[in-house]
Amino acid sequence: EVQLVESGGGLVQPGGSLRLSCAASGFTVSSNYMSWVRQAPGEGLEWVSVIYSGGSTYYTDSVKGRFTISRDNSKNTLYLQMNSLRADDTAVYYCARDRSNYWYFDLWGRGTLVTVSS
Amino acid sequence: EIVLTQSPGTLSLSPGERATLSCRASQSVSSSYLAWYQQKVGQAPRLLIYGASSRATGIPDRFSGSGSGTDFTLTISRLEPEDFAVYYCQQYGRSQYTFGQGTKLEIK
Repeated sequence: EVQLVESGGGLVQPGGSLRLSCAASGFTVSSNYMSWVRQAPGEGLEWVSVIYSGGSTYYTDSVKGRFTISRDNSKNTLYLQMNSLRADDTAVYYCARDRSNYWYFDLWGRGTLVTVSS
Repeated sequence: EIVLTQSPGTLSLSPGERATLSCRASQSVSSSYLAWYQQKVGQAPRLLIYGASSRATGIPDRFSGSGSGTDFTLTISRLEPEDFAVYYCQQYGRSQYTFGQGTKLEIK
């Protein structure tokens, strides 16, 4: 079955760190453009970061220098390392697939909740 | 950065009626880079339309997309009870993806 399963969310204090994982099955992560998209409680969708099949990475301005997207090809898994977390990073984080040069997300995970609070 | 503005914020309609949702871009967007999603409470978004007017796999033909340049429209021809949800448009440009703020389609 083709699917994405996120994990690693939880409660973290402001200034803390967390690493999210997104395990893929039924397709190869490294052959696609993989993104993280987040949704704050009661709010809309916000794109966070992408890693292209060639390895280039891009971020939305609010997370540059704090978040790092990566992948482990041997595990077929996408990651998001989040450092210096702030209260406004609180959100459900989804991983999503863009099948390279399609420029839309055809597959989404169910999301993992990150709560930044003291 | 291209900003997408969706209108209306909330649309109240009855089952069987026609819904028209708008997405306006602050700069011209290639039609190839415009998509629409549906999101129900507690669920991940689901792709409805890509390339401005192509339906994704499994999407009923009552959903249609149109538009070009800066103005795009999602139309639901005859609302079914399961269509009441939040709808987002999305575009890609300069290595960035952006979403509109969403339109909530609620039962009148």
